[in-house]
Parts: sequence; C-alpha cells; structure tokens
Amino acid sequence: KAGVTQTPRYLIKTRGQQVTLSCSPISGHRSVSWYQQTPGQGLQFLFEYFSETQRNKGNFPGRFSGRQFSNSRSEMNVSTLELGDSALYLCASSLETSGQGGTGELFFGEGSRLTVL
Amino acid sequence: AQSVAQPEDQVNVAEGNPLTVKCTYSVSGNPYLFWYVQYPNRGLQFLLKYITGDNLVKGSYGFEAEFNKSQTSFHLKKPSALVSDSALYFCAVTYSGDSSYKLIFGSGTRLLVRP
Repeated sequence: KAGVTQTPRYLIKTRGQQVTLSCSPISGHRSVSWYQQTPGQGLQFLFEYFSETQRNKGNFPGRFSGRQFSNSRSEMNVSTLELGDSALYLCASSLETSGQGGTGELFFGEGSRLTVL
Repeated sequence: AQSVAQPEDQVNVAEGNPLTVKCTYSVSGNPYLFWYVQYPNRGLQFLLKYITGDNLVKGSYGFEAEFNKSQTSFHLKKPSALVSDSALYFCAVTYSGDSSYKLIFGSGTRLLVRP
C-alpha cells in the first residue's frame, strides 16, 4: 500500500509570493492533517480535514489555508510568504473508524521543505 | 490548555544499555498519548500509543512506554539500545474531548546511541 505522498519535496520562494503544497493520503484514509516543523517552534498543528470539512485549526494567521477534495487529497496554501514561513510542512493521514476520532495513529509523509528568501 | 514537555534535548546512551526518553503532559480530559520517531530528512513514524487500558504499552522496534496518571508522565523505554535507534523522538498528546487529529507535540528529544 502506498504511503502518504507530498509534493513538491523541496521548493524555494521569495517573500510576498504564494505557495501551494499537495498531499495524497493513504488509500482509504479520510482524515488529513498538516503540521509545520521549524527548529525554533518545533511541530505545530496547522489544520485537519475530514470528508472535505475542516474539523480543527491551529493558531496560524489567515495566510495559511487548506482544503480537501472528494478523493481525500489535500492542499495547503500560504499567501504573501514571509521569511518565517521557511519550514518543513508535514502532511499526515489517518484511518478513522466510527467513534474512534483522535485515537488512531498518524501516517506522515516525508514533507515539503519550503525556503523563503 | 494542552501541553507536552520533553525535558531533555538530548539523551546519550551506550549500545546495549537501557534507554529512557521522558515525557510529561497536561490535558483537560482523558489523555491520548503517542510517541513518534523522526529520522533525518524524513517524516515522523508512529511508535506506540496509549488510549486506555493497560498502563504499559508495547510498540514497534522493541520500544515500550508506561502511562502514569498520578505523575502525568508517559516515558519511552527500551531495554537494550541499538545504534540504529539514534533519531529524534517526539511525544504527543490529544484528549478524549477532541474528536479530531489535533496532536500537540513536545519539543523533541534527540537520542544518540554510541557503539
């Protein structure tokens, strides 16, 4: 079974630009969440989607947005990039069964490393 | 507010010796606790979790963790360390009142196992 796939793996942008990152979850997984990893702030939750609905959102500015499609694939977008947005963005999917919300393990992709110059 | 503390930035241990990576947590409801490991330039891999039941949880690669409610701790342990265990370890928590997968991660502990 294929794992979580994130594209692109590496990208370089300049301040003020926008970026879109893509995540394909494991087949059958309907929950997709996004995390930002930086040396200073560690791993921080961005948002989580389930069946095309955002169920939870972290404490990030509105420049960070996401969506999920009917096939469970997800994208996140960062507009008006700032230097501090340089990070590894990790996507994770989970197989949620009825009544087990939040208890399943997350399967992470290898991440998209964004550098903002 | 939920939080996770990993008090040690780095743990050094000799191969063959037991290892412990510490984690304490604070949540408003019943905790769901997880350990993940990250190898260089890779995503995170699930090791084990505690949801309910037996306080001693066994996971992948010979790791185990003990849930201690009175001390609000969930320390990761392994009886005999391998050089290949060297990696970055993260403790994470969510709680029973939140049905989504919003994990709060600790700051991470780098484990170095010397030959």
